[in-house]
Amino acid sequence: RKEVEQDPGPFNVPEGATVAFNCTYSNSASQSFFWYRQDCRKEPKLLMSVYSSGNEDGRFTAQLNRASQYISLLIRDSKLSDSATYLCVVNPYNNDMRFGAGTRLTVKP
Amino acid sequence: NAGVTQTPKFRVLKTGQSMTLLCAQDMNHEYMYWYRQDPGMGLRLIHYSVGEGTTAKGEVPDGYNVSRLKKQNFLLGLESAAPSQTSVYFCASSYAGLAGADTQYFGPGTRLTVL
Repeated sequence: RKEVEQDPGPFNVPEGATVAFNCTYSNSASQSFFWYRQDCRKEPKLLMSVYSSGNEDGRFTAQLNRASQYISLLIRDSKLSDSATYLCVVNPYNNDMRFGAGTRLTVKP
Repeated sequence: NAGVTQTPKFRVLKTGQSMTLLCAQDMNHEYMYWYRQDPGMGLRLIHYSVGEGTTAKGEVPDGYNVSRLKKQNFLLGLESAAPSQTSVYFCASSYAGLAGADTQYFGPGTRLTVL
């Protein structure tokens, strides 16, 4: 079983739609959680950290459920520019990171 | 600031050849990392460094060596390249360690093909 698992998609949604991604992790001792965004053939960039209480940044909302060991990302009012691959990232140990394989999102006009 | 830069951007090697990938950052970050990204597998940590003169193994260190002689540079070496090392290599840096939930900044990547 992979340490971090994501639905690979692709998710194809129209502009303005709401889309949600889920991610599960296997190490219950994991401490830090993130969502990164990666455009085609580019480097990953931090989208947002995920806090236990949940957090929101504009159209993006991240949730963490430690009991069930999953993380979610909700994107509201999708824009064409949201098209990318979204990487779920978990920090199970100091100075280590485990990346999910990513979920690909395409937002269409 | 250039951020994190990597050289070269592309490289084709023959099996058994050696090469060094260079990563440089101008953000005065203490921590630096090397990852590889393969289709369907996500990024995997090869080696990392918590400061000048230090290195440590990550998830997939075999076949690679690293050095951090200067704070701003982190080198990844392949002594004898194998086709299984065909991948996209990303370097990253952060001010603090990952346990502190610090942001990682990635370089643009190096696409390596081993024939």
